[in-house]
Amino acid sequence: AQSVTQLGSHVSVSEGALVLLRCNYSSSVPPYLFWYVQYPNQGLQLLLKYTSAATLVKGINGFEAEFKKSETSFHLTKPSAHMSDAAEYFCAVRAYSSASKIIFGSGTRLSIRP
Amino acid sequence: DVKVTQSSRYLVKRTGEKVFLECVQDMDHENMFWYRQDPGLGLRLIYFSYDVKMKEKGDIPEGYSVSREKKERFSLILESASTNQTSMYLCASTTTRDRYEQYFGPGTRLTVT
Repeated sequence: AQSVTQLGSHVSVSEGALVLLRCNYSSSVPPYLFWYVQYPNQGLQLLLKYTSAATLVKGINGFEAEFKKSETSFHLTKPSAHMSDAAEYFCAVRAYSSASKIIFGSGTRLSIRP
Repeated sequence: DVKVTQSSRYLVKRTGEKVFLECVQDMDHENMFWYRQDPGLGLRLIYFSYDVKMKEKGDIPEGYSVSREKKERFSLILESASTNQTSMYLCASTTTRDRYEQYFGPGTRLTVT
């Protein structure tokens, strides 16, 4: 069965600092992995996705994530945090049990200190 | 631009009431989903549908049912609302051609008292 674990339910960084949100996956087959973002009072939107091409994936708003098979990780990073990055971030993995199903992690709330 | 709309942003219902949550998408997507979102639990799939009149149970279908009579509309029904169904409900849709990018509505925050 596929699953994702997000380490840290809440991360706080200063504006301009590095953002690092951690995600580890469990999958018996090569995974498809995603990061979604939810801004306050909005639905989720896709930030980036890994579908077995390049291991370093670039997304919107300056975010990127690196797929590391040896560590079963797919951490999300941004070199310099902006106040507008404050949101909840969800790591997700494709479920092989059903073609269209995605399994979401529990989420990490990112706060930005001025 | 894909648009997924949900009938209400906030809803307050009493225990035992029948509750309908409506979701409409305007991009002719084949697949539609209902999730509930609770703090610390992320998103959990309730039901999904891959075609009109077709549905499959997700991870937590108990206490819910769904209806998909038209391609653009997917309804979630709480037959007899209970306080443990107080939650944020999110609808999403996706096309079979690119099924992994799910487009979400803004959510309905349901409170059952």
